[in-house]
Amino acid sequence: AQSVTQLDSHVSVSEGTPVLLRCNYSSSYSPSLFWYVQHPNKGLQLLLKYTSAATLVKGINGFEAEFKKSETSFHLTKPSAHMSDAAEYFCVVSDLGNAGKSTFGDGTTLTVKP
Amino acid sequence: DAGITQSPRYKITETGRQVTLMCHQTWSHSYMFWYRQDLGHGLRLIYYSAAADITDKGEVPDGYVVSRSKTENFPLTLESATRSQTSVYFCASSDEVDEQFFGPGTRLTVL
Repeated sequence: AQSVTQLDSHVSVSEGTPVLLRCNYSSSYSPSLFWYVQHPNKGLQLLLKYTSAATLVKGINGFEAEFKKSETSFHLTKPSAHMSDAAEYFCVVSDLGNAGKSTFGDGTTLTVKP
Repeated sequence: DAGITQSPRYKITETGRQVTLMCHQTWSHSYMFWYRQDLGHGLRLIYYSAAADITDKGEVPDGYVVSRSKTENFPLTLESATRSQTSVYFCASSDEVDEQFFGPGTRLTVL
């Protein structure tokens, strides 16, 4: 069985300060992990993915995430927030035991204050 | 155009009517998915398909029907729409355990 928990439903930061969005997962197999971003009234776009290669994954727009197996975590970070980062972020887990199905977290809304 | 498209983008219907939402992808991805997105629930899987003529239920399948006669198409039908099916519906496709590519969504309102 697989599951994912996004630990914060809302995160608010000031422009130029670091961003941390937290995600814990559970998986019976070696999982693939993803972060997607959804801007208002838009579809979801992939930010980055982990598929058992390097544990530190770099994505688009300066985001990165570190896979920590011992902590079953895959937190998303960015050194300096930009106003355009304001969006909904979803952590997703997939493993081969679920025939390609993914499990989505409930999402974290990121607000960026000027 | 390459990619994944959904139609219609917006739909208003009445309770009890049948509605079909269309999804088309040009990558020949084996997997296709239908999700609904509601406030407070994130994305919930309705149905998915691993290949043409192979479909399976997701987390919230009741009241929905899918088919997949061709790899590139994955229509979702609400046989008798209810107000609780008012939502934003997203179609996605992928290869095996990999990144999913999402369509732009269909906003459905059931009056």
